[in-house]
Amino acid sequence: AQKITQTQPGMFVQEKEAVTLDCTYDTSDQSYGLFWYKQPSSGEMIFLIYQGSYDEQNATEGRYSLNFQKARKSANLVISASQLGDSAMYFCAMRVRGAQKLVFGQGTRLTINP
Amino acid sequence: DSGVTQTPKHLITATGQRVTLRCSPRSGDLSVYWYQQSLDQGLQFLIQYYNGEERAKGNILERFSAQQFPDLHSELNLSSLELGDSALYFCASSYTSGRETQYFGPGTRLLVL
Repeated sequence: AQKITQTQPGMFVQEKEAVTLDCTYDTSDQSYGLFWYKQPSSGEMIFLIYQGSYDEQNATEGRYSLNFQKARKSANLVISASQLGDSAMYFCAMRVRGAQKLVFGQGTRLTINP
Repeated sequence: DSGVTQTPKHLITATGQRVTLRCSPRSGDLSVYWYQQSLDQGLQFLIQYYNGEERAKGNILERFSAQQFPDLHSELNLSSLELGDSALYFCASSYTSGRETQYFGPGTRLLVL
């Protein structure tokens, strides 16, 4: 079975600081994908970034980067130069090859303080 | 805007009733996924359709059913509703059933009283 663990229920960060949101995963499959989604208070789920298990480079998308450490089974999201609009719930998710569903972690609530 | 649309945005109903949630995938996407988000269970996969056919089933109750129509829109039917069915229901879509990113709609917030 696949499992995603996000150990930080909440984080508080000052505006313009960088922030790292932790995600560890558990799977015996060799081929899988890792995703991060953002859920603002309005409720929608916004895709942020994707990392494939065979990707050699860490994924980056603008201010978002994924610190992928395969041996440690971790896929931490790094947000550089945080902004007030980054305040939201952040979910890490995984999908293994052949499976259709995303398995989500419990999420981290990030609050950016001015 | 992900391009996935869901209606209605909010739904308030009573126990024992039946409701239908509607989803239109992004243009060109063939797969539709349904997820339920509740406080106690988190985000749970319910069911997936690909080009009109059921492809995968998750933690979907027997009281719940879904289908995907020829125009690729999908409906999730929830019947004999219970208080515990109150949740945010998401539809997501992707082009195929592969490893593509799933793009989520805005969700339907269901409240069962």
